[in-house]
Amino acid sequence: DTEVTQTPKHLVMGMTNKKSLKCEQHMGHRAMYWYKQKAKKPPELMFVYSYEKLSINESVPSRFSPECPNSSLLNLHLHALQPEDSALYLCASSQGTPGYGYTFGSGTRLTVV
Amino acid sequence: AQSVTQLGSHVSVSEGALVLLRCNYSSSVPPYLFWYVQYPNQGLQLLLKYTSAATLVKGINGFEAEFKKSETSFHLTKPSAHMSDAAEYFCAVSQTGANNLFFGTGTRLTVIP
Repeated sequence: DTEVTQTPKHLVMGMTNKKSLKCEQHMGHRAMYWYKQKAKKPPELMFVYSYEKLSINESVPSRFSPECPNSSLLNLHLHALQPEDSALYLCASSQGTPGYGYTFGSGTRLTVV
Repeated sequence: AQSVTQLGSHVSVSEGALVLLRCNYSSSVPPYLFWYVQYPNQGLQLLLKYTSAATLVKGINGFEAEFKKSETSFHLTKPSAHMSDAAEYFCAVSQTGANNLFFGTGTRLTVIP
């Protein structure tokens, strides 16, 4: 299995809702990442998990809450989002060493109404 | 700190023509460099990577890139463009000891029939 699987593919939520994005990989990768990508922009790093521990938080607002239950799963819990949080949310995984590159999922298209 | 600059946010080529997408890096130490491709509403797919093993790197779909230290460049080329090459292309950089990936602003490639 050489894929990163993200669910759901599309999500529409209100500003008072609570929802979660899910990401799964079975490549034995030890690092997992959340990126946010706005239209016509490059991906921006949000969080990095290394060996199931949060190692990087790029000053992301607390309405985004990551969770790594085990080495294969990564969640992003969403609460009280704003319309400007609408974006494509990408999950990626890697072996944890810089030279190998990342494997990306196909993303969750989030719309906040 | 490392970064990459992609010259030209939009490149148009005729089908069968040479593709050249430019990327220059800024790094105080030898970097790891990557090219990713993103098709509409999809995640990012790794095209190729430079990890200091060889300066000319061959990737998938007929793409290749050459690392030129003297020019701090890592331009992406393909001898003959195909309609299916139309997509957004991102150059990215990471460094030894750093567990994150920084993207350039992207170049949208249009292939004209």
